[in-house]
Amino acid sequence: DQQVKQNSPSLSVQEGRISILNCDYTNSMFDYFLWYKKYPAEGPTFLISISSIKDKNEDGRFTVFLNKSAKHLSLHIVPSQPGDSAVYFCAASVGGAGNNRKLIWGLGTSLAVNP
Amino acid sequence: DTAVSQTPKYLVTQMGNDKSIKCEQNLGHDTMYWYKQDSKKFLKIMFSYNNKELIINETVPNRFSPKSPDKAHLNLHINSLELGDSAVYFCASSQSGGRSYNEQFFGPGTRLTVL
Repeated sequence: DQQVKQNSPSLSVQEGRISILNCDYTNSMFDYFLWYKKYPAEGPTFLISISSIKDKNEDGRFTVFLNKSAKHLSLHIVPSQPGDSAVYFCAASVGGAGNNRKLIWGLGTSLAVNP
Repeated sequence: DTAVSQTPKYLVTQMGNDKSIKCEQNLGHDTMYWYKQDSKKFLKIMFSYNNKELIINETVPNRFSPKSPDKAHLNLHINSLELGDSAVYFCASSQSGGRSYNEQFFGPGTRLTVL
């Protein structure tokens, strides 16, 4: 049973426009959410995160929005650039205060930004 | 100066063989992980170690044995390889304490193919 879902396997956007990547989750115990970006033949790299006590976090062109009541988060990229073309993974963190916290991952959305 | 490195990058082997994948991080982190990304691109945690101590073991067959000689290394040994072990294996690290614990740094992955 997938607790973190990215229902769009792919997304194509024109350069300069906004990219919106969506993520839904089922476990209300998740308290921290992260977005990772992955290029082919490389490992995922951390992009941006948000705590469950916030509804928005912004870092340059990247903004993550969290709607706890809907169990939904989204990543906005404005303006989109060709170098943003990659697979974007949504991940949710669960566990206690100790070191047994773990990330639960979505299947990823492949973003293509066309020049 | 790679932060998290894995060797080898590619591994092709016959069923029944025993193989090892090595991982090293030079970030000074105290927690390391092994993930498996299967053919459906699902990224799933296998193990985590904190200060050389096993913290997470996610119902992985006991043919898989992680070994952490020190905080900077976490190796993965696989006995009696099966066809279903074919996947990309990612090593990652993070620093415990606070939210940075969730922000994991990944190696480039090891593509294992079992024939």
